[in-house]
Amino acid sequence: DTGVSQNPRHKITKRGQNVTFRCDPISEHNRLYWYRQTLGQGPEFLTYFQNEAQLEKSRLLSDRFSAERPKGSFSTLEIQRTEQGDSAMYLCASRSPPRGTSTDTQYFGPGTRLTVL
Amino acid sequence: GNSVTQMEGPVTLSEEAFLTINCTYTATGYPSLFWYVQYPGEGLQLLLKATKADDKGSNKGFEATYRKETTSFHLEKGSVQVSDSAVYFCALLTGGYNKLIFGAGTRLAVHP
Repeated sequence: DTGVSQNPRHKITKRGQNVTFRCDPISEHNRLYWYRQTLGQGPEFLTYFQNEAQLEKSRLLSDRFSAERPKGSFSTLEIQRTEQGDSAMYLCASRSPPRGTSTDTQYFGPGTRLTVL
Repeated sequence: GNSVTQMEGPVTLSEEAFLTINCTYTATGYPSLFWYVQYPGEGLQLLLKATKADDKGSNKGFEATYRKETTSFHLEKGSVQVSDSAVYFCALLTGGYNKLIFGAGTRLAVHP
């Protein structure tokens, strides 16, 4: 069990550019979440995948944001036409299939810190 | 709607002092409750959790009890160490797809 990994760890981009982040969940975790954390705040939910299906999206996820999980394994989060307000830490978490309350824990990756200049 | 409120930080303590970080929640139903910790430069780590009323979660000397009557899940530790310096987040699990709702976090600084 190598944990949730995210790449890149840091991304600096200019306003208007597109960026893509990748998340590799813990193997056999079929549930994957994206959160965004701004400075001094707790993480906020962005979107949720069960296998390859995107089942829920937050209103925070504007039409410039798109997330995919094409084969039910890794996931990507793309931000088009970045704005300075997109600067944040983007966190990915995964969770195993439900087997009672003992499997409701989400395991987080180290995050990708995005800075938009 | 569902929400979590944590005491504001920073909390500054001397080593071996007693720690309490308050957390209260608003939720429909009976959510699971969590404390996550974020050390400098690292991601969120699960510290402890409780899944039903009166459950006590514990780990690494930290404890929190799920109090339904006061809708609280306060974090406590009897004797903090410098290595406990971090940001602590209280969270509840909600919704059909079980997304986490986090508090704003409380920064703890422990001095020798």
